[in-house]
Amino acid sequence: DAGVIQSPRHEVTEMGQEVTLRCKPISGHDYLFWYRQTMMRGLELLIYFNNNVPIDDSGMPEDRFSAKMPNASFSTLKIQPSEPRDSAVYFCASSLFDLNIQYFGAGTRLSVL
Amino acid sequence: GESVGLHLPTLSVQEGDNSIINCAYSNSASDYFIWYKQESGKGPQFIIDIRSNMDKRQGQRVTVLLNKTVKHLSLQIAATQPGDSAVYFCAENSNTGKLIFGQGTTLQVKP
Repeated sequence: DAGVIQSPRHEVTEMGQEVTLRCKPISGHDYLFWYRQTMMRGLELLIYFNNNVPIDDSGMPEDRFSAKMPNASFSTLKIQPSEPRDSAVYFCASSLFDLNIQYFGAGTRLSVL
Repeated sequence: GESVGLHLPTLSVQEGDNSIINCAYSNSASDYFIWYKQESGKGPQFIIDIRSNMDKRQGQRVTVLLNKTVKHLSLQIAATQPGDSAVYFCAENSNTGKLIFGQGTTLQVKP
């Protein structure tokens, strides 16, 4: 298995632009998580899905952030409009049956100028 | 006042020595704890877990100890190798059902 696949690996954009991050979970996994990692705040859970349904989005910072999971093999995290404070590494993770043992992708490093 | 960037605590050990990484958790209701390892440029990777009804669990070269009285968790790595150099996170699952990650500790292994 190729593991969790995220794209792009790096994204540089200007303030105000829309950013879309993509994730392909491990085949067969029923949980999908989006995290944000910064030095200031560490690793923060933004939202997670179970069987493609959003279960908890309390970590989504504000309305500029949205996440979708149209099917079991694909999810997106969108930021519109982007701001410099959104600069971070965004991770997607998936798991099977268990919320705790999660498999992380390599992350997307986002820089908003 | 203005917040400043966090500097992760760092543990520096000699190759071949044993490493002990500590973590204090906050929620006495947490019943499941996990250690993750994050190498530079990669996502966190599961290492070992322990439930609150246990005090100790061993894996390959790693041991996790749990002291619920003082809400303390530790990860012991035997015969530390250069490939063990990474940031190590403890995580707890409280009754919210979500994993809460700690700030992390950087382990540096000197050859």
